[in-house]
Amino acid sequence: EAQVTQNPRYLITVTGKKLTVTCSQNMNHEYMSWYRQDPGLGLRQIYYSMNVEVTDKGDVPEGYKVSRKEKRNFPLILESPSPNQTSLYFCASGINQPQHFGDGTRLSIL
Amino acid sequence: GEDVEQSLFLSVREGDSSVINCTYTDSSSTYLYWYKQEPGAGLQLLTYIFSNMDMKQDQRLTVLLNKKDKHLSLRIADTQTGDSAIYFCAESMVSGAGSYQLTFGKGTKLSVIP
Repeated sequence: EAQVTQNPRYLITVTGKKLTVTCSQNMNHEYMSWYRQDPGLGLRQIYYSMNVEVTDKGDVPEGYKVSRKEKRNFPLILESPSPNQTSLYFCASGINQPQHFGDGTRLSIL
Repeated sequence: GEDVEQSLFLSVREGDSSVINCTYTDSSSTYLYWYKQEPGAGLQLLTYIFSNMDMKQDQRLTVLLNKKDKHLSLRIADTQTGDSAIYFCAESMVSGAGSYQLTFGKGTKLSVIP
C-alpha cells in the first residue's frame, strides 16, 4: 500500500529546542516536499527535493532545514524552533504522478 | 507569483450537486489536483487532471478544465453529509531550472445540510 509516514503526529515543545520531524515514503518517488498549513493561509510549501541530495526552498523556508540522504526519507529540521512555527505540517511524496500526503504533524512551540 | 484562488465557503443540501471552483494563473501547469481534508485529518487526493484534458469523470466526481480561462471545477453529484470537508485545488508546474512546484489554493469549506 502506498504510504507516506510522518513522525511524530503531535509534539509540544519549547522555544529553541531542536526538533526533527521524520518523513518516509514507500513509492520510490524522487520528489518529496514539506508543507505547513495555517488557518486562512492554506498550504504553503517549505522545502522540496527533486531527488537524493537535491533540495530547494519553497515559499516559506525560513527557520527550517531539510536533508535527503536517501530516496525514501526526507526529514524536516527545526534547529531553533520559535512560536511562529506552531502549525500543522504535511510531508508529501510525488509530483507529476498523484501526490500522496502523510497524516500530518501538529507542532506547538511554547 | 503564481496564485490559485478558490472561494472559501460553499453550502449545499444533501442530494444536490456541489460545484467547487478554482482559478489559477500559470498556463504552464502540467497537472491540476483536487484534495479533500476532513476535520483533523490529512489531505486525501480525490482526483487529478492532466492539463491537456478538458474533463475527467470518476464516479460522483467530475472535473472540468477550461485552459483558456484557467478555470478548474469539481462537481460532486448527489452530495452526502460525508462530503463535508475542505477541498483544495492545486496546480503543479515546472519552475526555475526545471524544478517542480505544487501551489495550493486556500481551500473551500463544503458544508452539507441534511
